[in-house]
Amino acid sequence: DQQVKQNSPSLSVQEGRISILNCDYTNSMFDYFLWYKKYPAEGPTFLISISSIKDKNEDGRFTVFLNKSAKHLSLHIVPSQPGDSAVYFCAANDGNQFYFGTGTSLTVIP
Amino acid sequence: EAQVTQNPRYLITVTGKKLTVTCSQNMNHEYMSWYRQDPGLGLRQIYYSMNVEVTDKGDVPEGYKVSRKEKRNFPLILESPSPNQTSLYFCASSFFGTDYEQYFGPGTRLTVT
Repeated sequence: DQQVKQNSPSLSVQEGRISILNCDYTNSMFDYFLWYKKYPAEGPTFLISISSIKDKNEDGRFTVFLNKSAKHLSLHIVPSQPGDSAVYFCAANDGNQFYFGTGTSLTVIP
Repeated sequence: EAQVTQNPRYLITVTGKKLTVTCSQNMNHEYMSWYRQDPGLGLRQIYYSMNVEVTDKGDVPEGYKVSRKEKRNFPLILESPSPNQTSLYFCASSFFGTDYEQYFGPGTRLTVT
């Protein structure tokens, strides 16, 4: 059973607006969460992460929010740019293994 | 340049013919891992290794073997490939216990007929 879920397979956003990508998880033992970005024909690249002891982490245009009680995390991209168009994966770690979601394809429309 | 390399990038083979996909990293990372990516299923961890001579099963280890004899190398072995192992495979490496950031290789597209 999928322990990390991304329920939106795709998302379209106008350039300059906010993109919000969501991720839910089931295992309360996860202690670290990460977001990766993937372009076609390339491996995923790390974007931003957050420890389970925090509820927010910010890096430039990217902010990750963690709501442990809801077992939910989200990635905010502000402002969105056409170069952000890619597939975004959320991932979680339990101290040993990594668990990935199924990905959300983001399209930023110029 | 810090990188993870995988070879081959593309491979078409037949059922039952043993193959090895190599993975190498130059960042002195302790943790290395193999994933497969399939449509609708995301990335699933096959095997991982926390250090030399230490390997553990991930979510989908059946039909795969790994070894970690050197810190920089982590080959994936399919002793008797089957069509359901047709997939896109990624190797990744990271330090572990700090930020968990993984560096991924470019991927290996495997087709088993």
